[in-house]
Amino acid sequence: DGGITQSPKYLFRKEGQNVTLSCEQNLNHDAMYWYRQDPGQGLRLIYYSQIVNDFQKGDIAEGYSVSREKKESFPLTVTSAQKNPTAFYLCASNIQPQHFGDGTRLSIL
Amino acid sequence: KQEVTQIPAALSVPEGENLVLNCSFTDSAIYNLQWFRQDPGKGLTSLLLIQSSQREQTSGRLNASLDKSSGRSTLYIAASQPGDSATYLCAVTPSGGGADGLTFGKGTHLIIQP
Repeated sequence: DGGITQSPKYLFRKEGQNVTLSCEQNLNHDAMYWYRQDPGQGLRLIYYSQIVNDFQKGDIAEGYSVSREKKESFPLTVTSAQKNPTAFYLCASNIQPQHFGDGTRLSIL
Repeated sequence: KQEVTQIPAALSVPEGENLVLNCSFTDSAIYNLQWFRQDPGKGLTSLLLIQSSQREQTSGRLNASLDKSSGRSTLYIAASQPGDSATYLCAVTPSGGGADGLTFGKGTHLIIQP
C-alpha cells in the first residue's frame, strides 16, 4: 500500500548527540515536509522540500538539518544545537492534500 | 503572519450529542481550509477540505463550513460516538497554494462519554 513510513517510532537522544529521523514515501510526491508538535500545541513547520536536491527552512529550523537526495526520502537530523528536542515529529508529503506518517517521538536521556 | 485559533481547547460530551468545533484565522487570503483528526500518538488523518470558493463540505456525520470573509470555520459532528474521541486540528493553506506548508491551530481535544 502507498503511504509514508517514519522510523523509529520512539527515539532517545543523549546530551551532545545528533540523531536522525527517517521519512520514506512511496506516493511519488515531489513535496515533503517536517513538522514538530509539542503537547497541547499545533504543528510547526521545521523544513520542507518541493523537489529533489532542494529544501527550505520553515518557522523553527534552528538546530535541525535535512537532506533530499532521493524523491522518496527526506531524513531530519536533530543536532546537539537543538536544546529542547523533546517533541513529536511528523513527516508529510504532497502539497494538497498533505499525507502524514505516524510520527516519531523523541525524548532526552 | 497567519494565526489559527481553535475553541474550545477541550470538550467532553455524552454519546449521541451533536457538537460544534470552532476554528478562526486572522488572514482571510487562504487557498483552502482542512480539518484533521489525530488519535493519541498517531499522525493526522484528513477529514474534510474546503476550497476558498466553497461554503461547506460534508462527509457522513461530519459537516464543515467556511466563512472566509469573517475568518471562521466550524466542524459539526452529528450523533457523536465514543469512536469520535480524538484531537481535531484545523489548518489553513495560504493563498499561494501551500507549497511552503500549512498553518495549524492547537486543536480541540474531544472526549465522547459512553
